Amino acid sequence: QQPVQSPQAVILREGEDAVINCSSSKALYSVHWYRQKHGEAPVFLMILLKGGEQKGHEKISASFNEKKQQSSLYLTASQLSYSGTYFCGTGMATSYDKVIFGPGTSLSVIP
Amino acid sequence: DGGITQSPKYLFRKEGQNVTLSCEQNLNHDAMYWYRQDPGQGLRLIYYSQIVNDFQKGDIAEGYSVSREKKESFPLTVTSAQKNPTAFYLCASSMNRGPNTEAFFGQGTRLTVV
Repeated sequence: QQPVQSPQAVILREGEDAVINCSSSKALYSVHWYRQKHGEAPVFLMILLKGGEQKGHEKISASFNEKKQQSSLYLTASQLSYSGTYFCGTGMATSYDKVIFGPGTSLSVIP
Repeated sequence: DGGITQSPKYLFRKEGQNVTLSCEQNLNHDAMYWYRQDPGQGLRLIYYSQIVNDFQKGDIAEGYSVSREKKESFPLTVTSAQKNPTAFYLCASSMNRGPNTEAFFGQGTRLTVV
């Protein structure tokens, strides 16, 4: 039931782009994206609802393909502050108030 | 300042003892959640509550108990029945139930059982 995230880890140089993928074997109603820096609480980035919409947050955007039960998080022109672990959380169509998180993707941005 | 507070930040207990982790929020949120975080496993849902005096089991509820007697408080008890309790515990709250509400997380409690 836990969504799968890929890649598990990625290292970028400042200014490079990255894509983090999240997929589920269940029918999805929503996808939630959070970023957690080491030793800190996860911080909300965005929510995507069923409908295939794409959202943006500064240079971070995401898409949601509910037919494929997949979401992707796009980080463009990465900054040092983007480093952290990114989690996707999925809300199922049958129990959308219960968000299940993936194992996380560790992103490191180096100068 | 509104927010969600977990205490203590670090907690040490002897094996076989029950321990209660505190979670308080002053955001007037209806929903509250407890997650356990282990390296490489993400955030796993222990219990959640959408309203006072009601709560539901998450995916890994065995060995844990909760109560929701007040809207702002959602304490988690790690019982001696939990086979591997050493972990980082995160509490979260959201305005209401529903697919489009963001969750606010506390700073977490790191529990070590020796």
